[in-house]
Formats: sequence, structure tokens, C-alpha cells
Amino acid sequence: DGGITQSPKYLFRKEGQNVTLSCEQNLNHDAMYWYRQDPGQGLRLIYYSQIVNDFQKGDIAEGYSVSREKKESFPLTVTSAQKNPTAFYLCASSIPASGKGEQFFGPGTRLTVL
Amino acid sequence: RKEVEQDPGPFNVPEGATVAFNCTYSNSASQSFFWYRQDCRKEPKLLMSVYSSGNEDGRFTAQLNRASQYISLLIRDSKLSDSATYLCVVKEDSGNTPLVFGKGTRLSVIA
Repeated sequence: DGGITQSPKYLFRKEGQNVTLSCEQNLNHDAMYWYRQDPGQGLRLIYYSQIVNDFQKGDIAEGYSVSREKKESFPLTVTSAQKNPTAFYLCASSIPASGKGEQFFGPGTRLTVL
Repeated sequence: RKEVEQDPGPFNVPEGATVAFNCTYSNSASQSFFWYRQDCRKEPKLLMSVYSSGNEDGRFTAQLNRASQYISLLIRDSKLSDSATYLCVVKEDSGNTPLVFGKGTRLSVIA
């Protein structure tokens, strides 16, 4: 089945530890995105990548890092520099630019920092 | 700042009611428009695209008014399963730049 997978679904970490969230897609989508959602809030863009080996900062990139070494994978590292890392993290990918540009989301990772 | 604005609700409606959500967007050059649905503690899922001429998918009707920079979603004959948050989403260009998401309107359909 084609889709976007994120792992793990739930993640607990101690304050001060870096943690990497996985996002994989087998949809052959060029672009991938990371969002953060806090309770009762909208989606906020962390980073996005339009092509392999390239990525851009979103609105709230501080304290996060990404890599895009393969088309299928766009992992997000939440570093100890991120002040309030507890949140719901959503990865998305979008169809090629020739389309309307809809994004499709993975099931998300709920990160709790203790 | 380019934004998409929505009434956060909640809209509490009885089963069978018709309910309408609106949103406005600030970038007049926006090219594509969507409604997404997000259930509690789940990922957003594409509900429908919005076309200039308006479009319908079953009980759902979406309309776009480019002159007023206004998008609407109408849900007829509401079901309990329609309870969710509805996100108004705009694409500002033809490339792979990120979509701009509204914060969502919460709908509760009550038996």
C-alpha cells in the first residue's frame, strides 16, 4: 500500500535529550514537510524539502534539524535547544508541482518530554 | 503576513441540520484551495478541493469567491460522524511551496 508512515506513534524523552522522528513515504512525492500542532492550535510549519538534498526553514525551525538524503525519507530531529518540544508532530508529502499541490499526512508522532 | 482566517467555533448542531463554514485568505494571488478534516488526535485528511465554479461531493458543497477572497463549506444533513475540525487551506503558488492552513473550525453534531 502507498502511504506515509511515521514512527513511533508515541515517544517519551527526558529533557535535554535529542530525539529523531521518522517519516517515510512510498508515494514518489518530491516534496515533504514537517508540522507541529499543539493542543487546540493550528499546524505550524517547521521545515520543508522540495527535492532531495535540499530543505528550507519554516515558521518555527529553531531547535529542530532535518535531512533529506533520500526521496522517501525526511527525518526530523528535535534538539535540546527546542524550549517546548512536547507536541503532536505531523509529516506530509505533496504530489508533483504540476498538480494542485494537495498534501497528504502521516499519522503523526506524539512527543512528550518529561 | 499571509494568513487564512476561520471562525474557531465550536458549531454545535443537531443531526440532520445544515451547517456552513467560511474562511478568508489574505493573498489574492492564491492558486489552489482545499478543505481538510481533522478528527481528534488524528492527522488532517483531504476532504475536497475547491474550484472556482463551486463543487459538490455528496452532502458537501464548497464554493470560492476570488473577488472577496472567501471560501465556504456547506454540510447538508449532518451526521454524528461529521463531528471534527475543518481546516481551510490555501496554496499560494504553482510550485511545491507549503500550503497555508487555517486554524480550523470545530463542528459537533449532536444526536
